Amino acid sequence: QSVLTQPPSTSGTPGQRVTISCSGSSSNIGSNSVNWYQQLPRTAPKLLIYNTHERPSGVPDRFSGSKSGTSASLAISGLQSEDEADYYCATWDGSLNAYVFGTATKVTVL
Amino acid sequence: VQLVQSGAEVKKPGDSLKISCKGSGYSFSNYWIGWVRQMPGKGLEWMGIVYPGDSENRYSPSFQGQVTISADKSIGTAYLQWSSLKASDTGIYYCVRRSDYGFHYGLDVWGQGTTVSVSS
Repeated sequence: QSVLTQPPSTSGTPGQRVTISCSGSSSNIGSNSVNWYQQLPRTAPKLLIYNTHERPSGVPDRFSGSKSGTSASLAISGLQSEDEADYYCATWDGSLNAYVFGTATKVTVL
Repeated sequence: VQLVQSGAEVKKPGDSLKISCKGSGYSFSNYWIGWVRQMPGKGLEWMGIVYPGDSENRYSPSFQGQVTISADKSIGTAYLQWSSLKASDTGIYYCVRRSDYGFHYGLDVWGQGTTVSVSS
């Protein structure tokens, strides 16, 4: 079982704003930056957000990341059909001495 | 910049296996390469990492002793190997490049994945 907890699913209609939470502890999110990955169906994951709130080149500014204490969030504004995917948070855990992924959130566009 | 992985494998329990990941378009020796497992219908799991420059490797506690991660910088290739496969090793294995700024900057390049199927 992962040390980073995400809701299993969320959904929205096109144009809506959805947020995904990622809950951790002082040994991971509380003391390290958070990354987010997007995995479209039947493809390899892709880095979506790094260093908690920065976007790699090519990632639309509809995606934004934030962190407060031992929790992090990913927001998708102006939801589009191509955003339908699984989303994972991830960070370094100093107690486990390992990189850890969240439990994944499936985003459905209604 | 890309990581290209070896093809799908079908094995029996007890078999050995070594899969590969070839980097191109960047200085392979200077970036850590990691491996991520995705079991069927499940999430992502961090396995471990290797620095091709000096072959230093580090393992997630969950995978320590279960697999071997290595690299050959002369041919720009990283490897993941098993000495005795189990049915529970079935899954997709991704090689990844860690950003040169560390884990804070994430896994910025992913291979296409290698599917490993283990069944009697």
